[in-house]
Amino acid sequence: QKEVEQNSGPLSVPEGAIASLNCTYSDRGSQSFFWYRQYSGKSPELIMSIYSNGDKEDGRFTAQLNKASQYVSLLIRDSQPSDSATYLCAVRRRIGTGFQKLVFGTGTRLLVSP
Amino acid sequence: ETGVTQTPRHLVMGMTNKKSLKCEQHLGHNAMYWYKQSAKKPLELMFVYSLEERVENNSVPSRFSPECPNSSHLFLHLHTLQPEDSALYLCASSQDLSRSRISGNTIYFGEGSWLTVV
Repeated sequence: QKEVEQNSGPLSVPEGAIASLNCTYSDRGSQSFFWYRQYSGKSPELIMSIYSNGDKEDGRFTAQLNKASQYVSLLIRDSQPSDSATYLCAVRRRIGTGFQKLVFGTGTRLLVSP
Repeated sequence: ETGVTQTPRHLVMGMTNKKSLKCEQHLGHNAMYWYKQSAKKPLELMFVYSLEERVENNSVPSRFSPECPNSSHLFLHLHTLQPEDSALYLCASSQDLSRSRISGNTIYFGEGSWLTVV
């Protein structure tokens, strides 16, 4: 089982619709969760972080966390063509030495059509 | 423009060459990372330096040799690479995640160095 799993997509939505991106993780000890956006040929950029169960909203983005189900999601409201990118889910977890690191999923490619 | 800069942005090298990737962060962070990103694979953590000490080496072949002379600079020395090493190499920085009590503390990436081994 992969530590962080995402559907690779592509997820296609029309402009103005809600895009829903999902992520599951395997380590119950994970503490913090992040969504990065990566445009083609560019590096990942942080767009959201969440570490408590429930919803966290920032503009058109809402991150949702359910630790019992080990599930994180990202909702993008009023999707725009400029939102077309790969969205990476990352989980911060402790490893044996006490050090913490981020583990990334493979990413979900989102395509928003005009 | 990010607070983490990488050079060169593009590099083509032969299998017998020696080259280096350079990374510099201007964010006052004390941890730096090298990641490898290949097509259709998740980001792979290669090396982590915290306070200039290497704290993780994820079974990376010895043809990749990192160097961290201070908390702002990180290098990846490349020697006798293979074509399958062609990928995007990403540098990142953060406050040391293991010492940070801030749950939301995370890493910030540079723009990456595209490496092609021929």
